[in-house]
Amino acid sequence: DSGVTQTPKHLITATGQRVTLRCSPRSGDLSVYWYQQSLDQGLQFLIQYYNGEERAKGNILERFSAQQFPDLHSELNLSSLELGDSALYFCASSVGGQSNSPLHFGNGTRLTVT
Amino acid sequence: KNQVEQSPQSLIILEGKNCTLQCNYTVSPFSNLRWYKQDTGRGPVSLTIMTFSENTKSNGRYTATLDADTKQSSLHITASQLSDSASYICVVSANYGNNRLAFGKGNQVVVIP
Repeated sequence: DSGVTQTPKHLITATGQRVTLRCSPRSGDLSVYWYQQSLDQGLQFLIQYYNGEERAKGNILERFSAQQFPDLHSELNLSSLELGDSALYFCASSVGGQSNSPLHFGNGTRLTVT
Repeated sequence: KNQVEQSPQSLIILEGKNCTLQCNYTVSPFSNLRWYKQDTGRGPVSLTIMTFSENTKSNGRYTATLDADTKQSSLHITASQLSDSASYICVVSANYGNNRLAFGKGNQVVVIP
């Protein structure tokens, strides 16, 4: 068990809708990262937060947004959903905000857009 | 072009046999290289992390090697078990930039009895 909790595990919704994915990092970890993994694709970095502040941004669409709250949990908001947004969304956490900090991944939220 | 290339994309091996997975990268300046194991439908789990000065690191039946000069790494699985069936992801970390982790697409390993 990595200690990173993601909810919900599965989500099925229709095109055009909006969903929120939630992540609770491992106890003591200040950084939260969001990744998207489409079928047969590698993990694509979306965004990183460190202690409540945005630290780095990757290939995140404008329809997507995220935030990290004072209790360090994070939410990823996906709006105006399209069929191509169907994927596994992973959250990872680390103690520090630098790239040499080990990452601990949750088990993901599987999003299906119909 | 992806900064981290893994080969083979997939392979099937018999239970009990050994196999070696390859990772070539172009990330520079290099900070560290990690191998993760990802079971189907689960999050990746760290196997090894190696810095520039480390040539080899083991975790049970998994042994990773690193040649920072040629920018190559390998992951060797000894005496494979059915539970080794998974995707093995090579991740390289750089010392600059906002998106500092470069992910390979993974080596899909299937162990058959």
